[in-house]
Amino acid sequence: KNEVEQSPQNLTAQEGEFITINCSYSVGISALHWLQQHPGGGIVSLFMLSSGKKKHGRLIATINIQEKHSSLHITASHPRDSAVYICAVVETSGSRLTFGEGTQLTVNP
Amino acid sequence: EPEVTQTPSHQVTQMGQEVILRCVPISNHLYFYWYRQILGQKVEFLVSFYNNEISEKSEIFDDQFSVERPDGSNFTLKIRSTKLEDSAMYFCASNPQLPSNQPQHFGDGTRLSIL
Repeated sequence: KNEVEQSPQNLTAQEGEFITINCSYSVGISALHWLQQHPGGGIVSLFMLSSGKKKHGRLIATINIQEKHSSLHITASHPRDSAVYICAVVETSGSRLTFGEGTQLTVNP
Repeated sequence: EPEVTQTPSHQVTQMGQEVILRCVPISNHLYFYWYRQILGQKVEFLVSFYNNEISEKSEIFDDQFSVERPDGSNFTLKIRSTKLEDSAMYFCASNPQLPSNQPQHFGDGTRLSIL
């Protein structure tokens, strides 16, 4: 069974700070997703990765398949980035997403 | 941009009653999913559906649950004889391809409250 661990569980930052959220998993995967969940509950897909690095605006996601680890970085953080960030993986044996617990990010002005 | 839509946004039901949660996936998508998130917990996979049949289901998805795509546009999750522990946010998602190849598109969720 794949375990998906995220750290930290909670993160508070000042506006403008560089943010890093980490995700590690225990078995082989075909893809890793970073998702954002806002207080109303809706989930938005940020990135899907199977190797390397992706960038979208101030967000950067990286993955190291050998180390079974991924990071999500937010540069120049802003209060509107406050949300829960969730890592989810697709195992090579199936199509389901297995989710981490999420990281609650709060960015203060 | 096309969206996955879920109705209702909030459903309150008495324990033991049947409930149907509805989803309209994005029109050209082929893979459909239901997930559940109990308050304060992580999101959990329930079931995936492709080519008019269940392709994968979790241990949570027991005989109490069923899914259907009755008319080529709606994708429904039925929960028979609801229990208190079924109270959760239920998310529908769809993909044009497998989620190893494409990001998933999620609906805004249905909050199910069992009394």
